[in-house]
Amino acid sequence: AQKITQTQPGMFVQEKEAVTLDCTYDTSDPSYGLFWYKQPSSGEMIFLIYQGSYDQQNATEGRYSLNFQKARKSANLVISASQLGDSAMYFCAMRLYNFNKFYFGSGTKLNVKP
Amino acid sequence: GAGVSQTPSNKVTEKGKYVELRCDPISGHTALYWYRQSLGQGPEFLIYFQGTGAADDSGLPNDRFFAVRPEGSVSTLKIQRTERGDSAVYLCASSLTGGASTGELFFGEGSRLTVL
Repeated sequence: AQKITQTQPGMFVQEKEAVTLDCTYDTSDPSYGLFWYKQPSSGEMIFLIYQGSYDQQNATEGRYSLNFQKARKSANLVISASQLGDSAMYFCAMRLYNFNKFYFGSGTKLNVKP
Repeated sequence: GAGVSQTPSNKVTEKGKYVELRCDPISGHTALYWYRQSLGQGPEFLIYFQGTGAADDSGLPNDRFFAVRPEGSVSTLKIQRTERGDSAVYLCASSLTGGASTGELFFGEGSRLTVL
């Protein structure tokens, strides 16, 4: 069964604008973590932000914030003030702590236009 | 080293040959994962080690694929009788587990395998 769904294969955003990348997940396990990774064309996977299933507040890291809606099982990434260097693939991932398994979505390719 | 190290970075081989890909995780990370990533796709889980043992190998596609981690640190992914469909980037990642760790994965730069 699909655990992580990213419905936007590609997105465009104007430089300096904000963009939201969608992610929904599926689990009945109460203990999990949600992660976003960035993968530039060079190929390395860069960890961006984390949200735990028991966290009450939405996570923020600089220009990245995670819009966590637990009842809807969504964990959207918001990038504020987009920069040209934000152009990359973005992957949403979920870790089930009881099993230590990580599931990745299919990714969203973000293009930031000057 | 400071990060996860994978060798070789590129490997070109012929169909039917045997291939080994090596991963040296971050020191102290007990969990080690292997993923396979095809172009334009997300990472596909292959196998997970906790210490020396394979805690979950459910992602290995068939018995041509095998991985070991004999001393709980370096891991080797072994592919026998390679096929063209095995061509992909093989990613290794390590993480801390337990305690206050969020357990995020730290990835290597990958080994790009091309089977001709």
